[in-house]
Order: sequence, then structure tokens, then C-alpha cells
Amino acid sequence: KAGVTQTPRYLIKTRGQQVTLSCSPISGHRSVSWYQQTPGQGLQFLFEYFSETQRNKGNFPGRFSGRQFSNSRSEMNVSTLELGDSALYLCASSLDVSSTDTQYFGPGTRLTVL
Amino acid sequence: AQSVAQPEDQVNVAEGNPLTVKCTYSVSGNPYLFWYVQYPNRGLQFLLKYITGDNLVKGSYGFEAEFNKSQTSFHLKKPSALVSDSALYFCAVRETGNQFYFGTGTSLTVIP
Repeated sequence: KAGVTQTPRYLIKTRGQQVTLSCSPISGHRSVSWYQQTPGQGLQFLFEYFSETQRNKGNFPGRFSGRQFSNSRSEMNVSTLELGDSALYLCASSLDVSSTDTQYFGPGTRLTVL
Repeated sequence: AQSVAQPEDQVNVAEGNPLTVKCTYSVSGNPYLFWYVQYPNRGLQFLLKYITGDNLVKGSYGFEAEFNKSQTSFHLKKPSALVSDSALYFCAVRETGNQFYFGTGTSLTVIP
């Protein structure tokens, strides 16, 4: 079974631009979460989606948004990019929305903002 | 509020020696605890989790972790470290209905 895939793997943008990142979960998984990883900050939770509905949201500004499609694929968008948005963005999928479900991570998208 | 702490940014251990990576947590209800490992330029890989039951949980690659409710800890252990275990390790906690909270990670270096 294929793992979580994320596209693109690397992205370079300039300040003020916007970016869309894509995540395809493991087949059969219906829950998708997004995280921002930066050195020293660890993983910061962005949002969690299940059945096209946002279930949980982290403490990020409104420039960060996401959505989930009927096939469970998910996208996240960052508008008006800032230098501090440079990070590894990780997507994780789980079978269901149960709190005991294991999340499986994709390889991440490395975003660099210049 | 939920939180998780990994008190050591860096752990060094000689190959063949036992290793421990520490994790403490804070939740108001029952905790669900997870350990993940991250190799360079890779996503996180699941190692093991504690949901309920036996306090000693066994996971992938010979790793195990012990849930200690009184000390609110969930330390990761391995009896004999390998050089290939060198990586970044993350502890995570979750409560029912809430998001995952991850620690800031512990970099493990196994010295040949």
C-alpha cells in the first residue's frame, strides 16, 4: 500500500506570494492533519480534517488555510508569505478520527521563502 | 491543557549500550502517547504507542517504552543501541477529541 504522498517536495517562493501544498493520504485513510516543522520549535499543529470538515485547528494566523476533498486528499494554502513561513510542512493521515489512531506521515514539503 | 516535554535536546550513547530518550506529558484526562523517529530529509516514522493496558509497550526496531502514570512519563528505551538508530525522536500526546501535541524532539547519536 502506498504511503502518504506530498507534492511538491521542494518549493521556493518570495515574500508576499501565496503557495498551495498537496497531500494524498494512504488509501482508505479519511483523516488528514498538517504540521509545520522548524528547528527548535518541533512540530506545530496546523489543522486536522475528516470527511471534508475541519475538526481541529492550531494557533496559526488566518493566512494559513486548508481543505479536504471527497477523496480525502487535502491541500493547504499559505497567503502573503513571510520569511518566517520557511519550514518543512508535514502531512499525516490516519484511518479514522479516533484519538487512538496512529498518524502516518508523508515526506514533507520544504518551503523556502526569500 | 495538553503538553509534552522532551528535556534533552541531544543524547549520545555508545553502540551496544542501552539508550533512553525521555518524555514527560501533561493532560487532564487519559493520555494516548506516541513515539516517532525522523531520519534526515524524511517524514516521521511511527515507532510505538500506548493507549491502555500493559505499561510496557514494544514497538518497531527493538524499541520499547514504559508508561508511568504517577511520574507522567513515557520514556523510550532500547537495550542495545545501533549506529543506525541515530536520528531525531519525537514524543507526542493526544487526548480524546483533541489534536496531537509533539515535543521539540531529541537528537540521538550512537557513537561507534
